Amino acid sequence: DIQMTQSPSALSASVGDRVTITCRASQSIENYLNWYQHKPGKAPKLLIYAASTLQDGVPSRFSGSGSGTAFSLTISSLQPEDFAIYYCQHSYNTPPTFGQGTRLDIQ
Amino acid sequence: QEQVVESGGGVVQPGTSLRLSCEAWGFTVGSYGMHWVRQSPGKGLEWVAVIWEDGRQTDYVDAVKGRFTISRDDSKNTVYLQMNSLRDEDTALYHCARDLKFVLQAFATWGQGTMVTVS
Repeated sequence: DIQMTQSPSALSASVGDRVTITCRASQSIENYLNWYQHKPGKAPKLLIYAASTLQDGVPSRFSGSGSGTAFSLTISSLQPEDFAIYYCQHSYNTPPTFGQGTRLDIQ
Repeated sequence: QEQVVESGGGVVQPGTSLRLSCEAWGFTVGSYGMHWVRQSPGKGLEWVAVIWEDGRQTDYVDAVKGRFTISRDDSKNTVYLQMNSLRDEDTALYHCARDLKFVLQAFATWGQGTMVTVS
């Protein structure tokens, strides 16, 4: 199985900050990489698929980049509603696996 | 609006069975790959199973192979997860999720989940 490793595990930031979360795959997954936002008690939300394609309805302050084994999610200017847990997930083969998550807290 | 609603969770003893349901609204389950993804308390997300668009092909994470079965009833627009021989480590919130069209295993629509406690 492909292992996905995110960093950092937790991050404190302020409204208006620019933040970047990284995700590394244990082997090349080309661009088969997706990002999700998860708030407690709610359904996870797909933000970005195929490494850099913004899902419909997702604000443009979210962006993704990378290919092969190294990927990143950037939020250009944090808004109050962005404080959540973020997961990367590969869709290169089965089983699709997730990173361990990055908790983004208000500083 | 497209959504999925899970049901069927509960508190059960080890070794027993449970069947989860995922009813879809606003789309046809037979037109997408449909998945179950779980989250154990205090832990991250783990993919569990998929039933592909053809309705015949399925796949499972190794930890549940031989114990769990995913199926689909197109007449009810519902996906099921039959869970047998349940173990303590199966305790989790189970989400149903739908593929993004043409992007397999990118989970575009999720439910809020149904909780399974094995104790």
